[in-house]
Amino acid sequence: AQSVTQLGSHVSVSEGALVLLRCNYSSSVPPYLFWYVQYPNQGLQLLLKYTTGATLVKGINGFEAEFKKSETSFHLTKPSAHMSDAAEYFCAVTLGTPGANSKLTFGKGITLSVRP
Amino acid sequence: DAGVIQSPRHEVTEMGQEVTLRCKPISGHNSLFWYRQTMMRGLELLIYFNNNVPIDDSGMPEDRFSAKMPNASFSTLKIQPSEPRDSAVYFCASSSWTGFNEQFFGPGTRLTVL
Repeated sequence: AQSVTQLGSHVSVSEGALVLLRCNYSSSVPPYLFWYVQYPNQGLQLLLKYTTGATLVKGINGFEAEFKKSETSFHLTKPSAHMSDAAEYFCAVTLGTPGANSKLTFGKGITLSVRP
Repeated sequence: DAGVIQSPRHEVTEMGQEVTLRCKPISGHNSLFWYRQTMMRGLELLIYFNNNVPIDDSGMPEDRFSAKMPNASFSTLKIQPSEPRDSAVYFCASSSWTGFNEQFFGPGTRLTVL
């Protein structure tokens, strides 16, 4: 079984400040890991993903995340927050094999607010 | 590609009425997922299909909920009879087995049951 933990439900940062959203996972096999973003009144959009290879992955809008197997973590960061980053962010995990076992396990999500 | 298409985008109905939500996945995708999102319960997986076959419906809350996928390009989620507690945003997503299991989400259907 797999699980995802996103501590806290809300993070507030000032515009220009570092964004750090935490995600820890549990998986009995090497996982694929994802971050999704949901803007108000929209569906979820893929920000970035880790599958294999380089553990630091870059996504859209200046976000990046680092896969740390020893810490079972996949934290999302952005050096400088922008007002447009205000949204809900979901971390998700799935079995690290492409194919039929494609169900994602999502975390509860974190709402990011950006103060002017 | 047009992405995942859902209809209607908004649905307002009265308690006891039948509601049908529709989804067209991305062409060529093998898996289709139905989710429900509410403030109280967050994002919940209701059911998913692999190659049009239901694989896991353990998230379907009650027998009032049913889902079908008659072909690779169409799926429905039906609620009969609807109740006010069914009010939520329902998302459909699809994924390809040739990718890395990332799911592509539709814009959602906002359902309000009065």
